[in-house]
Amino acid sequence: GDSVTQTEGQVALSEEDFLTIHCNYSASGYPTLFWYVQYPGEGPQLLFRASRDKEKGSSRGFEATYDKGTTSFHLRKASVQESDSAVYYCALSESGGSNAKLTFGKGTKLSVKS
Amino acid sequence: DMKVTQMPRYLIKRMGENVLLECGQDMSHETMYWYRQDPGLGLQLIYISYDVDSNSEGDIPKGYRVSRKKREHFSLILDSAKTNQTSVYFCASSLSVNQDTQYFGPGTRLLVL
Repeated sequence: GDSVTQTEGQVALSEEDFLTIHCNYSASGYPTLFWYVQYPGEGPQLLFRASRDKEKGSSRGFEATYDKGTTSFHLRKASVQESDSAVYYCALSESGGSNAKLTFGKGTKLSVKS
Repeated sequence: DMKVTQMPRYLIKRMGENVLLECGQDMSHETMYWYRQDPGLGLQLIYISYDVDSNSEGDIPKGYRVSRKKREHFSLILDSAKTNQTSVYFCASSLSVNQDTQYFGPGTRLLVL
């Protein structure tokens, strides 16, 4: 079945550091890829999505590019802030699928200190 | 303002008691979901509902059942709760089965003693 593997556990950075959270996927079709962010005490919320090879999704200074060749969708931000501290989930949805199911990675906790 | 709500936000129950978690959405979304979230495991799908009285098991349905009698409302029921059902439960909704962006509620933190 479909699967998502992302940077495990926790990433600890200082403000203005560069962030990369790796996400690789395995899917039989041509999936739509997502990044969700979950702040403490809240539910996950969509950060952005991408549906086509080489498409770049972006929001709030975060970005990721759909790469079908390397089956990746790595999350990057040039300069993190303390307010970016959260758990980040990479997810995929089977393209054109009728089961409306998202497959999530296990999440990466980002901690940014000032 | 599009919103998914969950009640209660916190719940403590004893093993063997029945548990009812409620979810509502004001977006007329067809599809709704229940997940549980545990440390190190991420989000695991319990059930999907495609519309009223049209429900399907997710990846971990054992020990749970659901009810959807109105499009805007989706309930998760634990009959005779177990301690390993202690978790944070999230409800989500999406516009339709072919619209895959999901909107999540704030979660219910359940402790089963």
